[in-house]
Amino acid sequence: AQSVTQPDIHITVSEGASLELRCNYSYGATPYLFWYVQSPGQGLQLLLKYFSGDTLVQGIKGFEAEFKRSQSSFNLRKPSVHWSDAAEYFCAVGATYGGSQGNLIFGKGTKLSVKP
Amino acid sequence: NAGVTQTPKFQVLKTGQSMTLQCAQDMNHEYMSWYRQDPGMGLRLIHYSVGAGITDQGEVPNGYNVSRSTTEDFPLRLLSAAPSQTSVYFCASSSPGRERGYTFGSGTRLTVV
Repeated sequence: AQSVTQPDIHITVSEGASLELRCNYSYGATPYLFWYVQSPGQGLQLLLKYFSGDTLVQGIKGFEAEFKRSQSSFNLRKPSVHWSDAAEYFCAVGATYGGSQGNLIFGKGTKLSVKP
Repeated sequence: NAGVTQTPKFQVLKTGQSMTLQCAQDMNHEYMSWYRQDPGMGLRLIHYSVGAGITDQGEVPNGYNVSRSTTEDFPLRLLSAAPSQTSVYFCASSSPGRERGYTFGSGTRLTVV
């Protein structure tokens, strides 16, 4: 079955420190992978996506993610975290569901807190 | 501004009441979906549509109905609200193809008492 696992429910990092959020997926074919960010009380904003080509993907707000097929992972990274990055982050796979290839399966999210 | 518009933003219902959550997009997207978000559960797919006149069930469809009479609109109907339907509901749209990802609305926070 298709699934996405985000092992860390909550992470706290200091401002200026590096960040890595983990994401593992289960999908039989070539996955299309996404990271979304949700600020409190807001909708979801697409950070970046991978569907083919270079396995290191650059996104908005200085984020990047690396697709590793051998590890079924798509971890999100940022070299220096800003206080405004505090939010909840969701990894998702574009999956086949009931014959439709357009839907997303989400992980349960990782909440990021940033210490001054 | 182009995007996905959801109304209302907040709603309180009594158990057994019915209501419709509205969703409209102006990007001519064929794919539209409804998700619910609950603490610790991520987002779960309720219903989706791949075009006008075509809808199908997602992971958690019970208690919800949808229809898609136009490309732009994809309303979600609760026929008899239950406390278990207290949640934040997100509508999303996409052009065809898994690689596109989805554009999300800002959500409707629904409380059923």
